[in-house]
Amino acid sequence: AQTVTQSQPEMSVQEAETVTLSCTYDTSENNYYLFWYKQPPSRQMILVIRQEAYKQQNATENRFSVNFQKAAKSFSLKISDSQLGDTAMYFCAMNYGGSQGNLIFGKGTKLSVKP
Amino acid sequence: GAGVSQSPSNKVTEKGKDVELRCDPISGHTALYWYRQSLGQGLEFLIYFQGNSAPDKSGLPSDRFSAERTGGSVSTLTIQRTQQEDSAVYLCASSLGQLIQYTFGSGTRLTVV
Repeated sequence: AQTVTQSQPEMSVQEAETVTLSCTYDTSENNYYLFWYKQPPSRQMILVIRQEAYKQQNATENRFSVNFQKAAKSFSLKISDSQLGDTAMYFCAMNYGGSQGNLIFGKGTKLSVKP
Repeated sequence: GAGVSQSPSNKVTEKGKDVELRCDPISGHTALYWYRQSLGQGLEFLIYFQGNSAPDKSGLPSDRFSAERTGGSVSTLTIQRTQQEDSAVYLCASSLGQLIQYTFGSGTRLTVV
């Protein structure tokens, strides 16, 4: 079974500081994709960053980067220079291209950026 | 359209009534997904449409839930005889295919009273 686990229900960080959100997953597939989504109060899920499992290089998008440890099945998100607008729910997700083709989500981490 | 559009944005209904939730995906996206997000939870897969293939309904929680996608575009999620436990945000997403970036709508918040 494919599972995604986020062990931090809530986190907070001071503005301009760096924070890391944890995610672990379990799959027997070799080819899969990992994602971090942001969900602000508007409810819309916004893609933050994406990582292909076959790529060893960690993905980076501006202030957002991941630490992908394939052997450990770990996929953490680092947010640098945190901004007030980063306050949101963050969901880790996996897509292995199975028959469903759907994303499997963790339960999310609520991040609060404090001024 | 430019994004995935869902309507209504909010819906309050009485227990036992039927509701229809609509999703208008991005034009040309062949894949469409429905998810349910209960309070404080992650997203729960409900159903997946891919092109003209038979939909994958394996995530539907009961036979009160059904969905259709007409003409490979707009999709409607129907919940019959609503129960209080159906209260949640229902999110729709579309993509060009599997393993390709999904675009989500803003969801419909359903409240059953």
